[in-house]
Amino acid sequence: DTGVSQDPRHKITKRGQNVTFRCDPISEHNRLYWYRQTLGQGPEFLTYFQNEAQLEKSRLLSDRFSAERPKGSFSTLEIQRTEQGDSAMYLCASSLERGLALNEQFFGPGTRLTVL
Amino acid sequence: DAKTTQPNSMESNEEEPVHLPCNHSTISGTDYIHWYRQLPSQGPEYVIHGLTSNVNNRMASLAIAEDRKSSTLILHRATLRDAAVYYCILRAVLYNQGGKLIFGQGTELSVKP
Repeated sequence: DTGVSQDPRHKITKRGQNVTFRCDPISEHNRLYWYRQTLGQGPEFLTYFQNEAQLEKSRLLSDRFSAERPKGSFSTLEIQRTEQGDSAMYLCASSLERGLALNEQFFGPGTRLTVL
Repeated sequence: DAKTTQPNSMESNEEEPVHLPCNHSTISGTDYIHWYRQLPSQGPEYVIHGLTSNVNNRMASLAIAEDRKSSTLILHRATLRDAAVYYCILRAVLYNQGGKLIFGQGTELSVKP
């Protein structure tokens, strides 16, 4: 297994356009998390899935953001009508949890979004 | 969510030990102490975690104060590849719930040759 992968690695778009990012977690990992990181700050939690169920969403996740994880495998994060404030690194992480959410999260390399 | 306080930056010399402090005075009984680090242009990676006792693994050691209000991540021999931002995170452990990581500003560690 090569770890968590994200696609694309970089995305430049114009304000108002829609963008979609993909995350492929480590096989058999049942938890998948999305975080956002702006320059000079630590990552901020956006949402997470347990298998295909989206169990928690941050207040940061406005109605322009939507995430899915069909069939509990890969996940997509879509941003509609992008704004310049959406420019950030979008990180995906996965973990294997059995009961207590204690295990380490494995992060992907991130997708850097630039909104012009 | 309980908060942590870390110095913004620290410097170390190569092949010397590094002690990275973290204060978490509002820690609760169900909080585990996790450390992650983020190398330049990469996603964060797990380093170590503990509850009450000191912990060792191949990457580092974690020393936890008896009152659990502070902890120290110890890199025994810093290398240039250890230059990164180190995050101390309190992670509430709830059965079948949560698991999100709440990152602070972290400590940016620079290592001089």
